[in-house]
Amino acid sequence: EIVMTQSPATLSVSPGERATLSCRASQSVSSNLAWHQQKPGQAPRLLIYGASTRATGIPARFSGSGSGTEFTLTISSLQSEDFAVYYCQQYDNWPRTFGQGTKVEIK
Amino acid sequence: EVQLVESGGGLVQPGGSLRLSCAASGFNFKIYSMYWVRQAPGKGLDFVSGINNKGDNEEHADSVNGRFRISRDNSKNTMHLEMSSLRAEDTAVYFCVRENYYFDYWGQGTLVTVSS
Repeated sequence: EIVMTQSPATLSVSPGERATLSCRASQSVSSNLAWHQQKPGQAPRLLIYGASTRATGIPARFSGSGSGTEFTLTISSLQSEDFAVYYCQQYDNWPRTFGQGTKVEIK
Repeated sequence: EVQLVESGGGLVQPGGSLRLSCAASGFNFKIYSMYWVRQAPGKGLDFVSGINNKGDNEEHADSVNGRFRISRDNSKNTMHLEMSSLRAEDTAVYFCVRENYYFDYWGQGTLVTVSS
């Protein structure tokens, strides 16, 4: 199976600052990469699919980039509601696999 | 509005069985593959099982293969997960998820606790 590795595990950021999260795949997944956001006690929510396309209703401060094995999620100016855990997920191959998550916390 | 509502979770003893259900609404259920994804307490997300739109192809994680069965009833817009020979490590919140190539909608989850 494809192993997804996210870094860092925890990212401490002040409100208004930029956050950059990384995701690496153990083999190429082309652009078949999604990012999901999960807040405490809630279900995950799709943010990005196709490595760079924002899902419906997702603010423009969220952007995704990359292809192949290296991907990045950028939050341009962190808002209070953005502090959460972010997971990357590949859907290029079976089984679908997730990264271990990056927690974005208030600095 | 797409809605996925899980039910059937609870406390079960090791070796026991449980049946989870997912009720879908707000979309044409029969054209989408559907999945179960779980999250152990304080941990990340793990694929459990998936089923194609027609219900004639299943996929399971190695950790549950042979113990879990997935099914769907397109006439009732429901999906089920039959879990047997449950182990402590199956303790998790189980999410029902719709796939549109990527996982695009998630239910709120149902908690399964395996403990004596």
